[in-house]
Amino acid sequence: AQKVTQAQTEISVVEKEDVTLDCVYETRDTTYYLFWYKQPPSGELVFLIRRNSFDEQNEISGRYSWNFQKSTSSFNFTITASQVVDSAVYFCALIVESGAGSYQLTFGKGTKLSVIP
Amino acid sequence: DSGVTQTPKHLITATGQRVTLRCSPRSGDLSVYWYQQSLDQGLQFLIQYYNGEERAKGNILERFSAQQFPDLHSELNLSSLELGDSALYFCASSPAKSWNTEAFFGQGTRLTVV
Repeated sequence: AQKVTQAQTEISVVEKEDVTLDCVYETRDTTYYLFWYKQPPSGELVFLIRRNSFDEQNEISGRYSWNFQKSTSSFNFTITASQVVDSAVYFCALIVESGAGSYQLTFGKGTKLSVIP
Repeated sequence: DSGVTQTPKHLITATGQRVTLRCSPRSGDLSVYWYQQSLDQGLQFLIQYYNGEERAKGNILERFSAQQFPDLHSELNLSSLELGDSALYFCASSPAKSWNTEAFFGQGTRLTVV
């Protein structure tokens, strides 16, 4: 069975601080995908990044960076110099192919980030 | 604007009733995904259709069904509604069959069962 743990339920930071959102996953499969999504107060979900299990290269996109470590089954997300617009709930997700072209998708419970001006 | 349109935005209905949620994917996208977000269960993947055929199934209840039409829009049918079905239902679309591409989400349909 798959599991995604986002241990931080809520985080508050002051604008311009850096913040890291943790994501720990469990799976016995060797092929899987990890995702991060953002859900701002307006409610829609926004895709941020996808990483497959064979690509441990870290990624940076502007103020966002992701650290994927298979050794610790973690896929952490860091926002540098946070801004008020970063206030949202962030979800980590794990996708595993469960055979015959079918997939099992498991979401974490989300981390609510509040950036205070 | 993601390009994915969901209607209606809000829906209030009584227990035992049946409702249909509609999703129009981005132009050219062949995959449509349905998700449910509730306070109790969090975010859950329900089902995926690709070019009219069911591609992947998640935690979709037997009371729920979906289909994708030739024009690629999709409908999620929820029947014998229970209070616990109250949730935000998202649709997403992507161009590809598999999960290794970016998916774009609609604004969601908020269903309230009373």
